Amino acid sequence: EPEVTQTPSHQVTQMGQEVILRCVPISNHLYFYWYRQILGQKVEFLVSFYNNEISEKSEIFDDQFSVERPDGSNFTLKIRSTKLEDSAMYFCASSEVGRTNTGELFFGEGSRLTVL
Amino acid sequence: AQKITQTQPGMFVQEKEAVTLDCTYDTSDQSYGLFWYKQPSSGEMIFLIYQGSYDEQNATEGRYSLNFQKARKSANLVISASQLGDSAMYFCAMSFLLGSARQLTFGSGTQLTVLP
Repeated sequence: EPEVTQTPSHQVTQMGQEVILRCVPISNHLYFYWYRQILGQKVEFLVSFYNNEISEKSEIFDDQFSVERPDGSNFTLKIRSTKLEDSAMYFCASSEVGRTNTGELFFGEGSRLTVL
Repeated sequence: AQKITQTQPGMFVQEKEAVTLDCTYDTSDQSYGLFWYKQPSSGEMIFLIYQGSYDEQNATEGRYSLNFQKARKSANLVISASQLGDSAMYFCAMSFLLGSARQLTFGSGTQLTVLP
């Protein structure tokens, strides 16, 4: 069964360092997303991406964050200068459709980021 | 604004029995999707079941079924014949269109414990 894959599964970094989280969405999906979940809290939307550009982003997704699709398969989330409060589980997700509000949306296994 | 409410922070069920996890939602949109995800202690987000707002039949996936009552704005998850491996956090989520992109809003989750 096709799945969304994420690397690394866990990353520990020092405050102020840059971090890149990688995702390989399901191959025929066109819409990609990043969500995050701070420990013990709700899952929160960060950004959606379609046709090589950001479709929507939340207030959390400030100038420290960026996304790109550097090749035909990877979808990355970069945090330029990590802060302690960036410690969270980051989930990549993809869906076949996005402009209509229907259809399934699949998540990867998550990348746990710990900022020290 | 879209809102998802899960009023049961924790639930216990005996192995092999059925359990219902509650979810209510609030939206003014006519088109939306409802999801249930399972999050085991390892942290990944596992898709369980999806119901579109225009679907007339309740969704079923193996031991999972979604009791969709549109007029009451509820989308309860029913797990039949509970297994020990069902112990996890369960999140209800609703998709909506923000601009041209779809995103999910999540409930606060229900921690299910299956007792032997």
